[in-house]
Amino acid sequence: GAVVSQHPSRVICKSGTSVKIECRSLDFQATTMFWYRQFPKQSLMLMATSNEGSKATYEQGVEKDKFLINHASLTLSTLTVTSAHPEDSSFYICSAGRGRGVTEAFFGQGTRLTVV
Amino acid sequence: AQKVTQAQTEISVVEKEDVTLDCVYETRDTTYYLFWYKQPPSGELVFLIRRNSFDEQNEISGRYSWNFQKSTSSFNFTITASQVVDSAVYFCALSAVRGGDKIIFGKGTRLHILP
Repeated sequence: GAVVSQHPSRVICKSGTSVKIECRSLDFQATTMFWYRQFPKQSLMLMATSNEGSKATYEQGVEKDKFLINHASLTLSTLTVTSAHPEDSSFYICSAGRGRGVTEAFFGQGTRLTVV
Repeated sequence: AQKVTQAQTEISVVEKEDVTLDCVYETRDTTYYLFWYKQPPSGELVFLIRRNSFDEQNEISGRYSWNFQKSTSSFNFTITASQVVDSAVYFCALSAVRGGDKIIFGKGTRLHILP
């Protein structure tokens, strides 16, 4: 199957700083990438959908200015958590769609963010 | 609106027992896809199966089998002869074409296989 690489796998940052998470499709072009957030022992909640070359579409309740998403190329999308707070600590997972929609969606390894 | 319900929050069975994880979905789309993912403690999502709405044929892969029934909007997952390595959280998910192709996850079932 296709490979999606997410980096870093773990990050600890101080309150008030910003953190960037990268999601790369290694062997295919991903026109669409999705960002999910998962709190401990909970489900994955879709945060936003990003399409290459256009603005991301955010789900209701997700702050656009806090979670900046950039999808500058067909193989890279980034999520930047700005002015991080302890409540932003979570597990963030990206997925990349190959071809039409998400009939083939591949997930990254996830990033565990801890804000201290 | 799309919705996936996994009523079983947590299940514990003894090794070698069979176990079925339930999944009920809701969508108004006629074209949709159903998924099952496994999430071990490491956190990475492991893809298990994808089924489209036009294919109701049940599938078996080793000790895993899936029962897709459109009449009851269910897509249940059975593990036969369970093993300790099967312990994980299992997510059922749905993606509908008119729903913007987003994958919507159920809340997951935490499965404990006891030795």
